[in-house]
Amino acid sequence: AQKITQTQPGMFVQEKEAVTLDCTYDTSDPSYGLFWYKQPSSGEMIFLIYQGSYDQQNATEGRYSLNFQKARKSANLVISASQLGDSAMYFCAMRENSGYSTLTFGKGTMLLVSP
Amino acid sequence: DVKVTQSSRYLVKRTGEKVFLECVQDMDHENMFWYRQDPGLGLRLIYFSYDVKMKEKGDIPEGYSVSREKKERFSLILESASTNQTSMYLCASSLGGHQPQHFGDGTRLSIL
Repeated sequence: AQKITQTQPGMFVQEKEAVTLDCTYDTSDPSYGLFWYKQPSSGEMIFLIYQGSYDQQNATEGRYSLNFQKARKSANLVISASQLGDSAMYFCAMRENSGYSTLTFGKGTMLLVSP
Repeated sequence: DVKVTQSSRYLVKRTGEKVFLECVQDMDHENMFWYRQDPGLGLRLIYFSYDVKMKEKGDIPEGYSVSREKKERFSLILESASTNQTSMYLCASSLGGHQPQHFGDGTRLSIL
């Protein structure tokens, strides 16, 4: 079974609108962390936001927020007020505490922002 | 800012060659990682290292080896390159725990 599932291969959004990218995860570890990365067409992976399993509040970083629903095992990324520069691949990843600090990545969602 | 530097952005090699991909980080991170990225498959972990001279296999280690002689440098070695190793290779480093992994710009490797 996949540990990280991103069900949306691609998403389209108009500039200035909000968009939600879905991520569900599977773990039996009570302590874990969830990360979102952005990969523009140039190839570099850019860290966006982190949510720990014991964090009481949803993480926010500027226009990025994480809609963390622990019981549903989902950690959706919300981008508010989309910009053209947000067009990129977005990856959700999980670190489980039971091992080394390795990450398991989802297959990604391609976001295209149109004018 | 953390800087992770991969030696080449693009590399073309022939089947059977021994290929070295180099990665250097400047933040004294204990942990370093090598991934390959293929369309539709996301990032898959090849090998990682949590200390000098220490290495652990990831999910897809076959056909690869690694070397970490110094803390800042983590090398990926394709012992005898094959066409199915044509891919994007990404190196990352981290402090561990809840700290994020920081990535290099990637190396697009083509094996002909």
